[in-house]
Amino acid sequence: DIQMTQSPSVLSASVGDRVTLNCKASQNINKYLNWYQQKLGEAPKLLIYNTNSLQMGIPSRFSGSGSGTDFTLTISSLQPEDFATYFCFQHNSWPYTFGAGTKLELK
Amino acid sequence: QVNLLQSRAALVKPGASVKLSCKASGYTFTDYFIHWVKQSHGKSLEWIGYINPNSGYTNYNEKFKNKATLTVDKSTNTAYMELSRLTSEDSATYYCTRGTTTGFDYWGQGVMVTVSS
Repeated sequence: DIQMTQSPSVLSASVGDRVTLNCKASQNINKYLNWYQQKLGEAPKLLIYNTNSLQMGIPSRFSGSGSGTDFTLTISSLQPEDFATYFCFQHNSWPYTFGAGTKLELK
Repeated sequence: QVNLLQSRAALVKPGASVKLSCKASGYTFTDYFIHWVKQSHGKSLEWIGYINPNSGYTNYNEKFKNKATLTVDKSTNTAYMELSRLTSEDSATYYCTRGTTTGFDYWGQGVMVTVSS
């Protein structure tokens, strides 16, 4: 199985900050990397698919980059509603796998 | 609008089985696979498997092959997941989600399963 390693596990930041979340795959997953946001008690929400494509309705302050094994999610200017947990997810090969998540908390 | 409505929370005894439902609306049910995902309390997400509602074809994560059984009822646009021989390790929130070529776009609200005597 492909292991997805996210870092950091917890990130403290302030409103207006630019933040970068990292995700590393244990083997090449091409571009097939998605980012999901999850708030407490809610289902995950798709933000970015296939590395850098913004899901419809998601604000443009979210962006993704990377290829192969190393990927990043950047939030250009944090808003209060962005404090949540973020998961990366590979859909390059079975079984699909998720990272352990980065919890973005208010500093 | 696309909606996946899952069944209520379940409290089940160890060794028993439980069947969870996921009713789809707002799109053509047979056009998209339905995937199931497990989230243990406070932890990450695990992909369980998927079913093609059109053909009934299933693909499981090896880890869940002897645990989960996926089915659909096309007449009611409903997908089901039965979990068998439940233990405390199966206590979790389970999500159904619609699969596309770009991943999972719409998710059910999740259903919490608690295994306890």
